[in-house]
Amino acid sequence: EVQLVESGGGLVRPGGSLRLSCAASGFSFRDYEMTWVRQAPGKGLEWVSYISKSGSSVYYADSVKGRFTISRDNAKDSLYLQMHSLRAEDTAVYYCAREVQLGEWEVLDNWGQGTLVTVSS
Amino acid sequence: DIQMTQSPSSLAASVGDGVTITCRASQNIERNLNWYQQKPGKAPELLIFAASNVQRGVPSRVRGSGSGTDFTLTISSLQPEDFATYYCQESYSIPYTFGQGTRLEIK
Repeated sequence: EVQLVESGGGLVRPGGSLRLSCAASGFSFRDYEMTWVRQAPGKGLEWVSYISKSGSSVYYADSVKGRFTISRDNAKDSLYLQMHSLRAEDTAVYYCAREVQLGEWEVLDNWGQGTLVTVSS
Repeated sequence: DIQMTQSPSSLAASVGDGVTITCRASQNIERNLNWYQQKPGKAPELLIFAASNVQRGVPSRVRGSGSGTDFTLTISSLQPEDFATYYCQESYSIPYTFGQGTRLEIK
């Protein structure tokens, strides 16, 4: 069974840093691209960042570019999101999701349960 | 970036009704459109990919259609478990933008 378990969320002051982790199991982690998606309280889904299977290609939403860094450790079956210079508007549940290619289509077929990041003084 | 606009933002219906949710892309995304369902306090789940392909385990009353810029998600004969929020997402170009969501409520 595919499992993605996020951790590392919590309360942080504006300007602070936090590192989120996503532990993967039940599948060959190194064979899948991964994505972070977030959801502010009571709001919709926002795509945040993507990383290729090897980690050589990464992409970010404009809202987090220059402040967040996505990375992965395939030996540890883990995905990370390092967040710096956090702002109140970064407050959200952060989900990691597995990206698969079904035919020629990219989809997020498995999601973790999410971890809440609250940025507040 | 591609903008995704869903309508309506909320919808009330009864068990047994049929509903249609629309999603419009700001540019041609061919068939690179996915639909997700999210229930309160839960992670989203994939329903439809490539505009009209139903994910395994999704009931046949759920259908997707469209291509280019205009897409629809149709759920016929609503069941209690269908009342949730639905999101479209383009997978044509990064960032893979989501629509703002459609909340389907029981009337």
